[in-house]
Amino acid sequence: EIVLTQSPGTLSLSPGERATLSCRASQSVSSSYLAWYQQKPGQAPRLLIYGASTRATGIPDRFSGSGSGTDFTLTISRLEPEDLAVYYCQQYGSSLTFGGGTKVEIK
Amino acid sequence: QVQLQESGPGLVKPSETLSLTCTVSGYSISSGLYWGWIRQPPGKGLEWIGSIYYSGTTYYNPSLKSRVTISVDTSKNQFSLKLSSVTAADTAVYYCASDGRISWYYYWGQGALVTVSS
Repeated sequence: EIVLTQSPGTLSLSPGERATLSCRASQSVSSSYLAWYQQKPGQAPRLLIYGASTRATGIPDRFSGSGSGTDFTLTISRLEPEDLAVYYCQQYGSSLTFGGGTKVEIK
Repeated sequence: QVQLQESGPGLVKPSETLSLTCTVSGYSISSGLYWGWIRQPPGKGLEWIGSIYYSGTTYYNPSLKSRVTISVDTSKNQFSLKLSSVTAADTAVYYCASDGRISWYYYWGQGALVTVSS
């Protein structure tokens, strides 16, 4: 099973700042099978990025994904108050696993 | 637009079988897509349970495979989850979800809290 480790655990930034979230895999992941989700309090997760770098329908362009192999990054270029959420990376190989999440707090 | 809604008992006794149904609207299950279940224990992260393709092919989390059954009922446009021999560790919000690829999920239900307790 591929283990995904996300860092940092919590990120506290001010509106307008840039957020960089990391997802590291225990073994190489095909970029085609790496996704990112946003989960706001009390809500179901929302797909942000799939295929490591493709934004899902309706996702603002301030969200971007990059990376390959074992290291992937989600960047929020200019934080907005509504970006308060937990962000999860997810991979599909022989099975499907999620990272432990990064909580983004807005100062 | 695919819409998903979970339903089922909110309380299950230890050692019994948890059963949930996801009702699909806005799309015919028999037309395609992968249909899956993901759970989230209170205050914790997400865990994939498994998926079923509209044709009936199933994919399960190896850690849960011995206890899980996912099935499709095309006549009712629903798919279901059964998890046997539950313990308190199975207490979670259970989400049904869907996508055209098995590798991620675009459509999500709102989630259903299931508590395992006597």
